[in-house]
Amino acid sequence: EVQLVESGGGLVQPGGSLRLSCAASEFIFSTFWMSWVRQAPGKGLEWVANINHDGGESYYVESVKGRFTISRDNTMNSLYLQLSNLRAEDTAVYYCARISSDYSSIPGLNYYNYYGMDVWGQGTTVTVSS
Amino acid sequence: DIQMTQSPSSLSASVGDRVTITCRASQRISTYLNWYQHKPGKAPKLLIFDASTLQGGVSSRFSGSGSGTDFTLTISNLHPEDCATYYCQQSYSILFTFGPGTKVNIK
Repeated sequence: EVQLVESGGGLVQPGGSLRLSCAASEFIFSTFWMSWVRQAPGKGLEWVANINHDGGESYYVESVKGRFTISRDNTMNSLYLQLSNLRAEDTAVYYCARISSDYSSIPGLNYYNYYGMDVWGQGTTVTVSS
Repeated sequence: DIQMTQSPSSLSASVGDRVTITCRASQRISTYLNWYQHKPGKAPKLLIFDASTLQGGVSSRFSGSGSGTDFTLTISNLHPEDCATYYCQQSYSILFTFGPGTKVNIK
């Protein structure tokens, strides 16, 4: 069964750090873009970060730029999110998700089409509090 | 960044009803629009991608339409298990954004 399993959440003080992991199984991890999405208590879903298939490109929501780092290890079929300088507003359930995409090429232009996040983990909870 | 809005923020409908949720993008996004169902304590579930393509295994009671800036999700013949929050999400930009969600309650 295609699966994503997150781990690494916990209670951390403001200003602290945490590393989230996401273990992928039963699909060719190295061929997919991946994403982290979070949901703060009582709030909606918020996209956090994306990473391309080989880790060479990464993108972040403005509120976490410079504090969070998305990375991956394709030899370990694992995705990571390093959280630093944490704030109370980072308290949330963090989900990893697989991005469905395809690659298009027309003369002079190569680009990806992104079709949504089709596989999700169950989430790991991060609580930032003193 | 592309902003997404949804309406209504919540609705209450009866079993068997037809429900429509709208989503609007702050700029044209072609059909790069996806819909998710999210129940408390569960992982979000992709229902529709590319504005109108049903994800495999999803009930045909769910349908999507639209292009450009305006999109709709329709649930026909509402079932009790459809009680959830529904989110639209744009994937036109690699800086993904979600709508604020629409909570669907069963009367």
